[in-house]
Amino acid sequence: DSGVTQTPKHLITATGQRVTLRCSPRSGDLSVYWYQQSLDQGLQFLIQYYNGEERAKGNILERFSAQQFPDLHSELNLSSLELGDSALYFCASSVVGGSGNTIYFGEGSWLTVV
Amino acid sequence: DQQVKQNSPSLSVQEGRISILNCDYTNSMFDYFLWYKKYPAEGPTFLISISSIKDKNEDGRFTVFLNKSAKHLSLHIVPSQPGDSAVYFCAASVSNSGYALNFGKGTSLLVTP
Repeated sequence: DSGVTQTPKHLITATGQRVTLRCSPRSGDLSVYWYQQSLDQGLQFLIQYYNGEERAKGNILERFSAQQFPDLHSELNLSSLELGDSALYFCASSVVGGSGNTIYFGEGSWLTVV
Repeated sequence: DQQVKQNSPSLSVQEGRISILNCDYTNSMFDYFLWYKKYPAEGPTFLISISSIKDKNEDGRFTVFLNKSAKHLSLHIVPSQPGDSAVYFCAASVSNSGYALNFGKGTSLLVTP
């Protein structure tokens, strides 16, 4: 158990809908990352927050957004969902922001868009 | 643009033998490298890391080698065990840059009895 908690574990929704994925980082970790893993793809970095502020942005679509709240939990909002958005979405956390740090992953939220 | 590449999607090794997983990177600014292991239906778990000031780091059966001039790193598992069967991801980053880890696409290792 990495200490990173993600909910829901599985989600099935229709195209055009909007979903919210939730992440609670490890106790004491200030930085939260979101990654997407699609079929045959590696872990694609989406976005990083550090202590409530956006720190880095990766390949995140404009239909997706995220935020980190004062209690350090984070939410990833996915809207106008398309079939291609079906993927495993991972949250990870680390003590500090920036690189050179090991990040710890949650078990992921499996999103299926039908 | 894939800056971290794992060119072998899969690898099969007999139990007790050595497993060698390879990883190449293109960004010469990367100075911190990690390996993660992932079982099905679980999140990736940290395995071992290496800083660019070293060329080798060892932790039990796992050793990571870094060849900076070749922009190549490898993970050696000796001896391999069936429980090592998993997908292994290589990751790289630039320390203190604010950038998140860049991951390869993973290599699926199967250790057969």
